Amino acid sequence: DVKVTQSSRYLVKRTGEKVFLECVQDMDHENMFWYRQDPGLGLRLIYFSYDVKMKEKGDIPEGYSVSREKKERFSLILESASTNQTSMYLCASKRNRGREHGYTFGSGTRLTVV
Amino acid sequence: AQRVTQPEKLLSVFKGAPVELKCNYSYSGSPELFWYVQYSRQRLQLLLRHISRESIKGFTADLNKGETSFHLKKPFAQEEDSAMYYCALSGLSGAQKLVFGQGTRLTINP
Repeated sequence: DVKVTQSSRYLVKRTGEKVFLECVQDMDHENMFWYRQDPGLGLRLIYFSYDVKMKEKGDIPEGYSVSREKKERFSLILESASTNQTSMYLCASKRNRGREHGYTFGSGTRLTVV
Repeated sequence: AQRVTQPEKLLSVFKGAPVELKCNYSYSGSPELFWYVQYSRQRLQLLLRHISRESIKGFTADLNKGETSFHLKKPFAQEEDSAMYYCALSGLSGAQKLVFGQGTRLTINP
């Protein structure tokens, strides 16, 4: 069973802080993704990575960066947290082959920026 | 551009009634369509994928390329179907990133 683990379930940070959200998957998946989930907006892709040290911007990358130094770990970084980044953040992973098998999601990190 | 539209933010039906959650998409090529579900306090999980043409928990979804739709249906709703449902689309190339709709919160009334 594929496991995608997000290190924190809840986080509260202050405006201007640098925030790290960590995601680890244990099934050797090539692709990893960061989404934010907001009511009425669905899930929006922030960044994704298709290999170690490779990254691509998603639809809403502004204010975020990512790091993928190891295949199993994909970190989302908020360089200077702002209140409009208060949201639920979901990490997901997917294998390259077998496109039809879909993604596996983590349980999410609910970030509140005060 | 890839886009997924779920026109209903909220849908409420009575137990035993039929359910249809609408999903329309725009994509220039041949997409892959999915339905994901998120039950209360659980992680988002795959419900259906169009290429499998299967029924999961009594739900089915047919890809209609002419109408660019992928509506989710169930003939008789159960209370445990209450959840958030997302339609999603994946392209053919690269990491096959998923584009999600806005989601529909389905409530089944007893």
